[in-house]
Amino acid sequence: LAKTTQPISMDSYEGQEVNITCSHNNIATNDYITWYQQFPSQGPRFIIQGYKTKVTNEVASLFIPADRKSSTLSLPRVSLSDTAVYYCLVGASPGAGSYQLTFGKGTKLSVIP
Amino acid sequence: NAGVMQNPRHLVRRRGQEARLRCSPMKGHSHVYWYRQLPEEGLKFMVYLQKENIIDESGMPKERFSAEFPKEGPSILRIQQVVRGDSAAYFCASSFGRSSYEQYFGPGTRLTVT
Repeated sequence: LAKTTQPISMDSYEGQEVNITCSHNNIATNDYITWYQQFPSQGPRFIIQGYKTKVTNEVASLFIPADRKSSTLSLPRVSLSDTAVYYCLVGASPGAGSYQLTFGKGTKLSVIP
Repeated sequence: NAGVMQNPRHLVRRRGQEARLRCSPMKGHSHVYWYRQLPEEGLKFMVYLQKENIIDESGMPKERFSAEFPKEGPSILRIQQVVRGDSAAYFCASSFGRSSYEQYFGPGTRLTVT
């Protein structure tokens, strides 16, 4: 499993766009990049997954450069309810049967009014 | 469609007692995973089960811990003779197939050993 590095914490004001970058220098060719969100006292929630370039859904966007050694989760116009810990995970492709999610300490995002 | 359900949400046990944690996967999901989260740490994989089978228990301590997912009923994580170091949040997740990275998590059971 590729090792990931992300900032321990970030602060942002409401209404701003937040970008959280994750480094994964030894990502394998078949690895996908997945982000989870965890609110206090709750289980993690899948946000988004991608392999290259850009993926967007109703919650966030994921930007992956050509070398795939990093990725950036972008949250548009955050609100107080986006205060959570965000985890970057790197591992086997969907359907490959790899199921052991490995969570680091994540990035604790605090949204300030 | 109800999500993953876990109970109890909070469990207090004295040292030496047994703890039983229950998990009901999402409807239609037959794959269950248990994770443990220590304070200020990320989640760590413990065990992966399908109905009536333990597929991978490589993350589970060798002693005192066991898990099952019977044909009928919820998955159970059982901790015998609990110690203070077992205090943690235990999360269950489920998936439809042998998922790679899209798993649906329950709210967790917070175990406190006194």
